[in-house]
Amino acid sequence: EAQVTQNPRYLITVTGKKLTVTCSQNMNHEYMSWYRQDPGLGLRQIYYSMNVEVTDKGDVPEGYKVSRKEKRNFPLILESPSPNQTSLYFCASSSPAWTSGGRTDTQYFGPGTRLTVL
Amino acid sequence: SQQGEEDPQALSIQEGENATMNCSYKTSINNLQWYRQNSGRGLVHLILIRSNEREKHSGRLRVTLDTSKKSSSLLITASRAADTASYFCATDVKTSYDKVIFGPGTSLSVIP
Repeated sequence: EAQVTQNPRYLITVTGKKLTVTCSQNMNHEYMSWYRQDPGLGLRQIYYSMNVEVTDKGDVPEGYKVSRKEKRNFPLILESPSPNQTSLYFCASSSPAWTSGGRTDTQYFGPGTRLTVL
Repeated sequence: SQQGEEDPQALSIQEGENATMNCSYKTSINNLQWYRQNSGRGLVHLILIRSNEREKHSGRLRVTLDTSKKSSSLLITASRAADTASYFCATDVKTSYDKVIFGPGTSLSVIP
């Protein structure tokens, strides 16, 4: 079954304790992305990756790190989590497609990771 | 400020009624997509409309795009309780081929 998996699904941690949220996709997608979702703000992009070893900042990258050593995996790292990083996090992947009308690929989302930083 | 903003923020209707949600955006786009999110879950793609298209249908969904007004609407006809979800528009801005921007969403409740 084609899917994007995230682990853990729920995490409660304390300020300053490093954590990693894993993301894996089995669709051989080149593009992967991390979003955070907060009430009233929709999804905001944290980091994205166009392919292995190619990553770039999204709109809210501060306090986060990512790596893309393998095509299927795109972990999100919080080196020193703070309470303002309490949020619902989604990983997504797609196979980028461009036409004369721009980018047309559909993103596939993981089930989400609900993170609480105390 | 956000590229896309949905309106209304929340909508409650009776089963069988039509639901209309709107999305406004600020900068020129290549295309616009609508996604659905069931409570606390990942988003699921519904439909894509290109900037040179004005209307598109998919089952009970009808999407329109007015680039002169920088707005799109999503109409769900004959709504069902299972349509209860949040709906997001996502725009692929012309200035960046790598960026797809999501709006804050409309929360739809369909009452049986």
